[in-house]
Amino acid sequence: DTEVTQTPKHLVMGMTNKKSLKCEQHMGHRAMYWYKQKAKKPPELMFVYSYEKLSINESVPSRFSPECPNSSLLNLHLHALQPEDSALYLCASSQARGGGNTEAFFGQGTRLTVV
Amino acid sequence: QQQVKQSPQSLIVQKGGISIINCAYENTAFDYFPWYQQFPGKGPALLIAIRPDVSEKKEGRFTISFNKSAKQFSLHIMDSQPGDSATYFCAASMWGSQGNLIFGKGTKLSVKP
Repeated sequence: DTEVTQTPKHLVMGMTNKKSLKCEQHMGHRAMYWYKQKAKKPPELMFVYSYEKLSINESVPSRFSPECPNSSLLNLHLHALQPEDSALYLCASSQARGGGNTEAFFGQGTRLTVV
Repeated sequence: QQQVKQSPQSLIVQKGGISIINCAYENTAFDYFPWYQQFPGKGPALLIAIRPDVSEKKEGRFTISFNKSAKQFSLHIMDSQPGDSATYFCAASMWGSQGNLIFGKGTKLSVKP
């Protein structure tokens, strides 16, 4: 199984809503990532978790709050978002440093629209 | 500062032709260079990747050429097919952190039948 599963596939939320994006993998990977991709742009790294600990936060606003409850799950909690936060949010996983070397696998993404 | 520069932005190729996409990087600490293919509404999928200890890697119709001294690498798609029409991203990272990727801006490839 080389699949990274993201839910929901689509999400429309108001600027005052609180919602969460979910990501799951069962490949035994110990590094998980959130990327943001705006239309016609490349993915941009937001957060990196390594062995369930946040290791990189690319200066992301606090209205995005990541969580890694266990080695298979990654959440992104959203609160008080702005319309410019509308994008495709991608989750990825790979082996962590020292855990062997594999490619990074991406999920299909959550298409988020903030209204 | 853009760390990975990709060209062209768009490319139109006839079916059966060769598609060539070029990338250049700046950070000499990078030592893992993958190419991702992305269809509309989907996540990126790894096509092929290379490390600096080899100058070329081929997998089926896809070939990466790597020039370490010039800090450049390119993707060649032989016998291009309409099903290859997608956006292609080159990327760079450090070995051991393959998911911590810096992407190029992407190339939209259209293969005409």
